[in-house]
Formats: sequence, structure tokens, C-alpha cells
Amino acid sequence: SQTIHQWPATLVQPVGSPLSLECTVEGTSNPNLYWYRQAAGRGLQLLFYSVGIGQISSEVPQNLSASRPQDRQFILSSKKLLLSDSGFYLCAWSPRNYGYTFGSGTRLTVV
Amino acid sequence: GENVEQHPSTLSVQEGDSAVIKCTYSDSASNYFPWYKQELGKRPQLIIDIRSNVGEKKDQRIAVTLNKTAKHFSLHITETQPEDSAVYFCAATNTDKLIFGTGTRLQVFP
Repeated sequence: SQTIHQWPATLVQPVGSPLSLECTVEGTSNPNLYWYRQAAGRGLQLLFYSVGIGQISSEVPQNLSASRPQDRQFILSSKKLLLSDSGFYLCAWSPRNYGYTFGSGTRLTVV
Repeated sequence: GENVEQHPSTLSVQEGDSAVIKCTYSDSASNYFPWYKQELGKRPQLIIDIRSNVGEKKDQRIAVTLNKTAKHFSLHITETQPEDSAVYFCAATNTDKLIFGTGTRLQVFP
């Protein structure tokens, strides 16, 4: 069966520091991969998605970036965090346009 | 691109009553409509989904209806229980990206 791993679970980072969140999927090949962000008490905002290695689509221009160095690995990065980057970051995968499954999430607090 | 609106933002019901959450979407090409339940501090979990070639789908106490002409779909929960209390999100997609509604906080009082 397929599983999705996301880490770390929680992270406290100072303003201006870099960020790297990682997500991997097991048990499938060529999945669609997604990064969503959820501010406290708010909805799910799509940040990036990828349909294949090296293919990244950005939905919201900001100081975040994403990369997909391997088929089942998706990384969210920032060179310099802002206070507004705080939130609950969720990785998700889907086979193709259905059955989206979320990882357990990373709660990021920028101080 | 797709835009999904969801109502109401909060919903309080008595245990045993029914709850209905409604969503509208903008892109007539959207063909997949899932519903997620998110408990506090946890990941969203898929509870039911429907494709555009189906008008209604039921799974025990939950059901989803889809009206393609009007571009709206609804979640129905019958015989609500306290453990149904959570935030519910609708979503829609026709391509490679899933767009979510703003969420409904459902509270079921014993």
C-alpha cells in the first residue's frame, strides 16, 4: 500500500533563517505531489504542485520554492523565512487527479 | 482557474440531527469533487468523493450530491454524533491541482 511521509512534525525557526521541509511517498511511481499551507483556523492554500521529476508549478508567488529531485520526493524550501510563513504545511500526493492523500503535516512557527 | 465557495462557515446541530454543507465551483470542466474532514491539529482525511458522471453517492451516514448544471455539490451527514465535530472542506479539480473551499466548522452537541 502507499504511504506518505513528511518531516519534521514541528519546527520553530527565527526570521531570516532558511527552511527545508521534505516529503516522500512509498508504494507508487510517478505520483502527482503537492504542497499546501494552512494558516491558523483557515483553509488550505495550494503552494506548489508537481506532475514529474523537475516539473514544478507555482500557485502563489512568495519567498518559498519547491523541488522534486526524485520521483517520490518533494521538498519545500526558503532562503529567508518571514513571520508570515508560519503555518501548517501539508504535503499530498495523488495517482492522477483523484484520491488525494495528505501527509501528517509540519507545524512551522517563525519567531 | 477554479474557485470553490463553501457555506456555511460554522454549523451547530444537536446530536441525531442532520447537517448539510454546500459548495459551488466555477470551472464547468471540473470532474472530481472530494470532501475532507480535519480534526484539530491533524491532517485532512478524505471521507467521500464523487465524479462528475455520478449525481449522488452514499456511504453509511454520509452522502454527497452533485448538480453539474448549477455547479454545486453538497455533503449530507445524517444522525450526527459528537465525533462528527470537525472542520469539513470541499474541493474540486479538473486538472492536476485540487482547489479547496474555505471550510465549515461543524459542532455536534450531545
